[in-house]
Amino acid sequence: ILNVEQSPQSLHVQEGDSTNFTCSFPSSNFYALHWYRWETAKSPEALFVMTLNGDEKKKGRISATLNTKEGYSYLYIKGSQPEDSATYLCAPYYNAGNMLTFGGGTRLMVKP
Amino acid sequence: KAGVTQTPRYLIKTRGQQVTLSCSPISGHRSVSWYQQTPGQGLQFLFEYFSETQRNKGNFPGRFSGRQFSNSRSEMNVSTLELGDSALYLCASSLGTSGGASQETQYFGPGTRLLVL
Repeated sequence: ILNVEQSPQSLHVQEGDSTNFTCSFPSSNFYALHWYRWETAKSPEALFVMTLNGDEKKKGRISATLNTKEGYSYLYIKGSQPEDSATYLCAPYYNAGNMLTFGGGTRLMVKP
Repeated sequence: KAGVTQTPRYLIKTRGQQVTLSCSPISGHRSVSWYQQTPGQGLQFLFEYFSETQRNKGNFPGRFSGRQFSNSRSEMNVSTLELGDSALYLCASSLGTSGGASQETQYFGPGTRLLVL
């Protein structure tokens, strides 16, 4: 069983704050890392798929970095807005296993 | 393009019964994956179907099975339901060209919430 850890488990920030959270995963046989955003009562929505060490991806105010050698990824949100409130999930994909293994998620709440 | 649809959205069953859930992928997508989400375990991979064949399988008992039809629609069946099967079941579709979830974006449906009494 792969140990994919996300920290913190939950986070409360004020509107306008910038924030970041971490996804840690075993680096052996790593192939790709997926990030998803899951708003309450909606479907998980894909944010990024990252594969290369040092990859950086950006989508609006959200960006992510990847370190495959040490097995971690950071997700950054610049100037948080209430609509950013959601659970953010990471899921690495490995060459052996052929499945996404999801972390427990970071629940972000942005207060207006 | 229409998104991934799942039916039914809510379901109540009793222990020992069986249940079938349905997933219609995005048009053109050939891979359908199923996930179970419970408060204690988070999102866990059940299986993936591609071209009517199960391509990958998670660590779930044989009571959980699935199939895929020629139009890529997929069904998931759980037999002899247990209380612990109460969960949100999500399906996700992708193009399926790369041999698994790997680098492909997965598009999730709204889920079926199953309650076993």
